[in-house]
Amino acid sequence: DTAVSQTPKYLVTQMGNDKSIKCEQNLGHDTMYWYKQDSKKFLKIMFSYNNKELIINETVPNRFSPKSPDKAHLNLHINSLELGDSAVYFCASSEQAYNEQFFGPGTRLTVL
Amino acid sequence: AQSVTQLDSQVPVFEEAPVELRCNYSSSVSVYLFWYVQYPNQGLQLLLKYLSGSTLVESINGFEAEFNKSQTSFHLRKPSVHISDTAEYFCAVTNQGGKLIFGQGTELSVKP
Repeated sequence: DTAVSQTPKYLVTQMGNDKSIKCEQNLGHDTMYWYKQDSKKFLKIMFSYNNKELIINETVPNRFSPKSPDKAHLNLHINSLELGDSAVYFCASSEQAYNEQFFGPGTRLTVL
Repeated sequence: AQSVTQLDSQVPVFEEAPVELRCNYSSSVSVYLFWYVQYPNQGLQLLLKYLSGSTLVESINGFEAEFNKSQTSFHLRKPSVHISDTAEYFCAVTNQGGKLIFGQGTELSVKP
């Protein structure tokens, strides 16, 4: 009965590879988000989708591309991975844009 | 632009002692305020929120926070902490746009 789930939980890969992280929520929420947590635990929003439409796009390299096939899913694809992409990526969802956000367990990405 | 400052990066306390984790924000518009907790190697969980109404909000596990508009603060307090409260605590602010801005986090370490 996980509300917001992410796969995989851990992802170890080489520089230059392309990888995807999947996120699904079963809360019926309209809005979904991707956050990046760096090694100092600082959290920063990357993207937000509302009903499959992109509404927030922070200054993220265009190697990062979110895709929302339906309002319950928001995937993150990363091209040409770099060392600096190593972080924990969190997916979240909310009923409306300003309501509380429910977070997934995170995906720890390590780029070697 | 909105911002959040958590004034203490680390707060060590003894079990059963009171604790206050400080949070100040800046915003030119009405805000919604949140405290999230992150236990080691886990995702973020909502602890409590202020959307409107009473400025004092409480969580189910004994934490409380008071929204102070004049001082632009939303400090988190607990009168008696437990070992199990050891975690990272994040203060966050958003407006109707939905972009959640996090503070730098405060590591609460409860010692026996």
